[in-house]
Parts: sequence; C-alpha cells; structure tokens
Amino acid sequence: RKEVEQDPGPFNVPEGATVAFNCTYSNSASQSFFWYRQDCRKEPKLLMSVYSSGNEDGRFTAQLNRASQYISLLIRDSKLSDSATYLCVHKAAGNKLTFGGGTRVLVKP
Amino acid sequence: DTAVSQTPKYLVTQMGNDKSIKCEQNLGHDTMYWYKQDSKKFLKIMFSYNNKELIINETVPNRFSPKSPDKAHLNLHINSLELGDSAVYFCASSTSGGVGPDTQYFGPGTRLTVL
Repeated sequence: RKEVEQDPGPFNVPEGATVAFNCTYSNSASQSFFWYRQDCRKEPKLLMSVYSSGNEDGRFTAQLNRASQYISLLIRDSKLSDSATYLCVHKAAGNKLTFGGGTRVLVKP
Repeated sequence: DTAVSQTPKYLVTQMGNDKSIKCEQNLGHDTMYWYKQDSKKFLKIMFSYNNKELIINETVPNRFSPKSPDKAHLNLHINSLELGDSAVYFCASSTSGGVGPDTQYFGPGTRLTVL
C-alpha cells in the first residue's frame, strides 16, 4: 500500500461549482500534512497546511481525520485558474515529505 | 528575484554519459533537497542536506551523488546515465531540517531526457 494515495482524477468541474477530494495515508505517525498545487510543467507550490481542527483559506478548506487517516481539500466557487494537480503531502520525522500521486482538477467554463 | 534556481532547465544526453545539475537558493535556508518526478508524476525525495550535511538518503543508485559546497548550493551529479533516469528533477529548500511544519520551496525543475 502506498504511503499516500490519491484519486488521480481528472475531476471535471464547472466554473463556480464546488469540488472536494480526499487523500489517504498509511503512516499513523505522520506529523504534518499539506496540500501542494502543481501546474502543468511547473514546480509544486504550497497551497495550505492542514490542521487537526480543519482550516480555511479563502475558497479552500482542508480537513484532517486522524481516526480514518485521510485529509481532504474542498474548493468552493471554482475558478478556471484552479485547474491544476493537487498533491497531498505528509511529513514524517526529519522533514521528509512524502507526496501522493496528485489529483488533477479541470475547471471548465 | 529567483528564490530557488536550477540549471540547466532542459538536459538531453546519451546513455552512459555523466551529467550535473546545479541548484542555488537565495532564501537563507539551511536545508536543501533533491526530488525526482517520473513520467507517472510521482514526486519522490532522493536526498536532503542540512548545513552541508547529508540527512536524508533514500534508496537511490550510487550513480547519483549530491554535493553541497555551501548551504546555498546543492548539486546533483549523475554517472553512467540510464534510460530510466529520464525524469524531472526538482531542487527544494526549507528553513529547518525537521523541526516544525516549515514550507519547502521548489526550483523550476530540470527535465532530463536520456536517449
């Protein structure tokens, strides 16, 4: 079983709609979680950290469920510019980041 | 003002050759990383250096040798290139080597194609 698993998608989303997707992780000792965004042929960039209590950053909401070992990302009022691959990441000891394979989101007019 | 830069951006070479990729960060970070992203888009860590000391060394063939002349630079030398080495290599840096949920900043990537 991979350490971090994601539905590769693509999730085809009408502009203005809400989309949500999850990521499961197998290492119960994982300390920190993040969502990174990667545009086509570009480098990954941090979108947001994921806190146990859940957190929101504008149209983006991240949740962590330690009992079921998954994190989620919800995007409200989707924009065309939200089209990207969203990478689920967890950090174990030593600042080692483990990336999921990414969930591709395509927002269409 | 580029934060993490890599050269070259593209590298096309023949099997068996030796090549190097350079990485520099001007963020004042003390930890740097090399990642490999293969054709299936999985991003995997290869190495991490903290203040010029190797702290993460994943299962990578020893044809790959990182070198950190100072904490702002982390270069990657690859000997005897193989077809399977074709990938995008990303350099990254962060402020700490394991304390706190600090952000890793990635370079633009080097697309290596081995023919």
